Amino acid sequence: DAKTTQPPSMDCAEGRAANLPCNHSTISGNEYVYWYRQIHSQGPQYIIHGLKNNETNEMASLIITEDRKSSTLILPHATLRDTAVYYCIVRVVSRVSNYQLIWGAGTKLIIKP
Amino acid sequence: DAGVTQSPTHLIKTRGQHVTLRCSPISGHKSVSWYQQVLGQGPQFIFQYYEKEERGRGNFPDRFSARQFPNYSSELNVNALLLGDSALYLCASSLELGAGGVYNIQYFGAGTRLSVL
Repeated sequence: DAKTTQPPSMDCAEGRAANLPCNHSTISGNEYVYWYRQIHSQGPQYIIHGLKNNETNEMASLIITEDRKSSTLILPHATLRDTAVYYCIVRVVSRVSNYQLIWGAGTKLIIKP
Repeated sequence: DAGVTQSPTHLIKTRGQHVTLRCSPISGHKSVSWYQQVLGQGPQFIFQYYEKEERGRGNFPDRFSARQFPNYSSELNVNALLLGDSALYLCASSLELGAGGVYNIQYFGAGTRLSVL
């Protein structure tokens, strides 16, 4: 099963773009990359996911490298409410693995005024 | 619309006791998954149910069991509680069961914080 590596913590100034990197060098061709965030031990909140192409929604953009070995989550205009732990997750696709979400330790993002 | 709801929000038990945690998925969602999150770590997969059938089980002892009801709500049961079972227990629901696409996005509840003394 593919695993992910993220920096344990990052800072970003309020109003600037926050770029959160994730390494998933062992990802298989049919495994998706998901991003969730968790604010102070609340339930995780879905942000975005992708397979090969870059994706954008109202919350963020996801940039996946051509070789799919890494990705970057971009919060375009970070606010104080974006302070949270951000998880980059690879979703196993096989029925045997039952479409699990495999979580790492995440990146603690602190937005500073 | 109501999101995933879990009850109770907090629970204190003593070692050896039994606990039942409950989860109501988003209306129309057929799949429910359970996760355990110990302080400082990411969630760990416990169980996954779809259409009332168990479709996946994580690396947890047999003291952990779960079921899904005809209305798609779910219960997680833990017997013979240990101190190490203290954690935030998360329930997530999705429309369908699969790997990608909007129908398979898992949405999480706020969790039940279990403390075992």
